[in-house]
Amino acid sequence: SAVISQKPSRDICQRGTSLTIQCQVDSQVTMMFWYRQQPGQSLTLIATANQGSEATYESGFVIDKFPISRPNLTFSTLTVSNMSPEDSSIYLCSVLAGAGNEQFFGPGTRLTVL
Amino acid sequence: ILNVEQSPQSLHVQEGDSTNFTCSFPSSNFYALHWYRWETAKSPEALFVMTLNGDEKKKGRISATLNTKEGYSYLYIKGSQPEDSATYLCAFDPWGGGSQGNLIFGKGTKLSVKP
Repeated sequence: SAVISQKPSRDICQRGTSLTIQCQVDSQVTMMFWYRQQPGQSLTLIATANQGSEATYESGFVIDKFPISRPNLTFSTLTVSNMSPEDSSIYLCSVLAGAGNEQFFGPGTRLTVL
Repeated sequence: ILNVEQSPQSLHVQEGDSTNFTCSFPSSNFYALHWYRWETAKSPEALFVMTLNGDEKKKGRISATLNTKEGYSYLYIKGSQPEDSATYLCAFDPWGGGSQGNLIFGKGTKLSVKP
């Protein structure tokens, strides 16, 4: 298994500003993922972050809006840039770990944009 | 577009009641079906990973079944307790092994158990 922490746990931000969310894992993992859940919607994958390479973004998500860093095998950051109220969501990071390649999730960052 | 549907959206039961929810997914290109339990302000917790048609898995009072031919899975909770209150998510993995990471989630069923 993997234990994942995220910072901040929640934040309230003004429109037009940016927020960087940190994700820390207690073991080295190759693949890390960033998801978001907008109110009333499903968890949706934003991007896959591999150490040493550019993040791979899913359809509808772009690097300019959601830049990601992956400086080592235990840490990643997601920045939500130039925020608007539509960015109000829960953002989760997850990792693949264990023999069965299960996904383990962080506790999420609840973002409200005014 | 691959779609995962969960029903009901929310459920309110009394302590001691047994309950079940449904997850529907595309019946083609199936690899695995995941169930997660997500309490507010906590990490989603993996309950089951199901891969074989006809699979039935059990963890304490919670069990799940899988029908890949018709594209549905049921999650059952026997004798619900207040601590079972959470959102239950199912996630469909059509690509194999979870190695791509791109699970397709339903919107979840929010369960509230009243003492």
